[in-house]
Amino acid sequence: NAGVTQTPKFQVLKTGQSMTLQCAQDMNHEYMSWYRQDPGMGLRLIHYSVGAGITDQGEVPNGYNVSRSTTEDFPLRLLSAAPSQTSVYFCASRSAGANVLTFGAGSRLTVL
Amino acid sequence: GEDVEQSLFLSVREGDSSVINCTYTDSSSTYLYWYKQEPGAGLQLLTYIFSNMDMKQDQRLTVLLNKKDKHLSLRIADTQTGDSAIYFCADLYNQGGKLIFGQGTELSVKP
Repeated sequence: NAGVTQTPKFQVLKTGQSMTLQCAQDMNHEYMSWYRQDPGMGLRLIHYSVGAGITDQGEVPNGYNVSRSTTEDFPLRLLSAAPSQTSVYFCASRSAGANVLTFGAGSRLTVL
Repeated sequence: GEDVEQSLFLSVREGDSSVINCTYTDSSSTYLYWYKQEPGAGLQLLTYIFSNMDMKQDQRLTVLLNKKDKHLSLRIADTQTGDSAIYFCADLYNQGGKLIFGQGTELSVKP
């Protein structure tokens, strides 16, 4: 039981490049979400999904796309990276009836 | 939108008690959480409290909830250097089950 797995752990991009942060969970959780963490700002919700085929915007969705084609996977896409997207990204999941989120270990992204 | 606020820093001496405070605005809050983040690591759930409770104790941790004032606190008894970390308060916002986080309080424990 691996929990929530995020890849890559570290990534450096140039402005304008695109990339996908991967998130996978093996707990059959319906709810998955992406947060970004910036110093002094806590964690802010980017996008979330309450089940396969359903996604919705969080607090700071601009510049990011998501899709949820399977229950297990919830990738976060940056189509044209900007320096303002330099951050640590966390994926989290929970089952529909639960009240506790399980977090991945994080992905540190630097955009030059 | 809903908001969660924390002070950014707290410094205590080893062996003292630490009290980390949090305020929130969500009137329909159901659960409130405390997470711990050590340097370079992910978030570890410490404890949580259901909104119809006033207090919850778990070993060295005591959570107090004042629902009228929308104030949550985390007390760590006999604070150790290993408790040095960033502590996040979070509110399970009822609509969509979203977790709203505070800015985090950096706890520094001096020997």
